Amino acid sequence: GPKVLQIPSHQIIDMGQMVTLNCDPVSNHLYFYWYKQILGQQMEFLVNFYNGKVMEKSKLFKDQFSVERPDGSYFTLKIQPTALEDSAVYFCASSLKYEQYFGPGTRLTVL
Amino acid sequence: TQTVSQSDAHVTVFEGDSVELRCNYSYGGSIYLSWYIQHHGRGLQFLLKYYSGNPVVQGVNGFEAEFSKSDSSFHLRKASVHWSDSAVYFCAVKDNNNAPRFGAGTKLTVKP
Repeated sequence: GPKVLQIPSHQIIDMGQMVTLNCDPVSNHLYFYWYKQILGQQMEFLVNFYNGKVMEKSKLFKDQFSVERPDGSYFTLKIQPTALEDSAVYFCASSLKYEQYFGPGTRLTVL
Repeated sequence: TQTVSQSDAHVTVFEGDSVELRCNYSYGGSIYLSWYIQHHGRGLQFLLKYYSGNPVVQGVNGFEAEFSKSDSSFHLRKASVHWSDSAVYFCAVKDNNNAPRFGAGTKLTVKP
């Protein structure tokens, strides 16, 4: 079936540095999402992106977070600067309408 | 406030048993309900969905779920589980205006 790819699979970074997580969504999908999962626990919604704009974001989507998808390339999540509490697995998802397809996740470790 | 509740954090059954994983929600209006499975260290895989019509929906690998408006529930069931069904199961609810929100997940352990 359709696949969502995420690059890298793991990222280790020092606190205060910038990190960019990359997502290659399903090619004809229109909606893009980022979720955060800590230690295999709840999937926490971060942000929903459509038509070049943030449609919805949660309180977890701090000012240090930003998303973009320039010219149909990767859908990215940038964190600048990173904090210790940003350590988690970040999942990207895309959908044509309702049914979401998830990537395998990027494990981010902030030291 | 929209909420999705999965009351059982852990469920343990034996291979061949039936299982029901519970999901309750508090939303108004039209909603889209789905279940996902997450094997250890992997992303979420779609199991099934409900939007309208027959309240019992069939999914992959013998899973089904039943929507109940009166109970605000969308419980997932399987008649006979296999050891490979051991995973974490997430219920998700979406309304017309917001992205899907997930429950806390239920870890299913199937013993041989």
